[in-house]
Amino acid sequence: GAVVSQHPSWVICKSGTSVKIECRSLDFQATTMFWYRQFPKQSLMLMATSNEGSKATYEQGVEKDKFLINHASLTLSTLTVTSAHPEDSSFYICSASNRGVDGYTFGSGTRLTVV
Amino acid sequence: GEDVEQSLFLSVREGDSSVINCTYTDSSSTYLYWYKQEPGAGLQLLTYIFSNMDMKQDQRLTVLLNKKDKHLSLRIADTQTGDSAIYFCAESPTDSWGKLQFGAGTQVVVTP
Repeated sequence: GAVVSQHPSWVICKSGTSVKIECRSLDFQATTMFWYRQFPKQSLMLMATSNEGSKATYEQGVEKDKFLINHASLTLSTLTVTSAHPEDSSFYICSASNRGVDGYTFGSGTRLTVV
Repeated sequence: GEDVEQSLFLSVREGDSSVINCTYTDSSSTYLYWYKQEPGAGLQLLTYIFSNMDMKQDQRLTVLLNKKDKHLSLRIADTQTGDSAIYFCAESPTDSWGKLQFGAGTQVVVTP
């Protein structure tokens, strides 16, 4: 089946630094990937839709200059949290679509802790 | 409030059946999904149902869809300790392909 690899699985960074999270589709090409954020004991909130070769589409309330998304190839999307602050600490999950009905394959998530 | 609603917690004894309920709001949703999330992990697709179906069975899992009431349920037969996790239902509105709308998740705890 379709596999999505997300890296790193966890990261701790200092306030003010930037962190890059990678999302790779391993055995299929994904023209569209999605980035979600999940707070403890809460649901997933869609942050942005990442489109290969074009700009990402951000959901309302998500700062595009803070959460930079790059989808430079059909198998890789990256989310960079710039100038991270403790309130950015969260669980970030990506998903990639192979356009099939069950095509929403999720990565294993990245636990970001900003200290 | 959220467009997809679920009860937050369910406790069930090992061997019994679990039923997780979900209500959604977008009647145009083509597919409805159930995902499982174990601690610190991503989401695992358990099953999905097409909107023109009433029921779908897959081994221990049974999905029931009442489109009139916009009600979705997931029944897990013979619940095992490995079924302890958070279960999310999600809808896929037809006008926003790929943007899954998730419920808050139901924490299922299986006790011996």
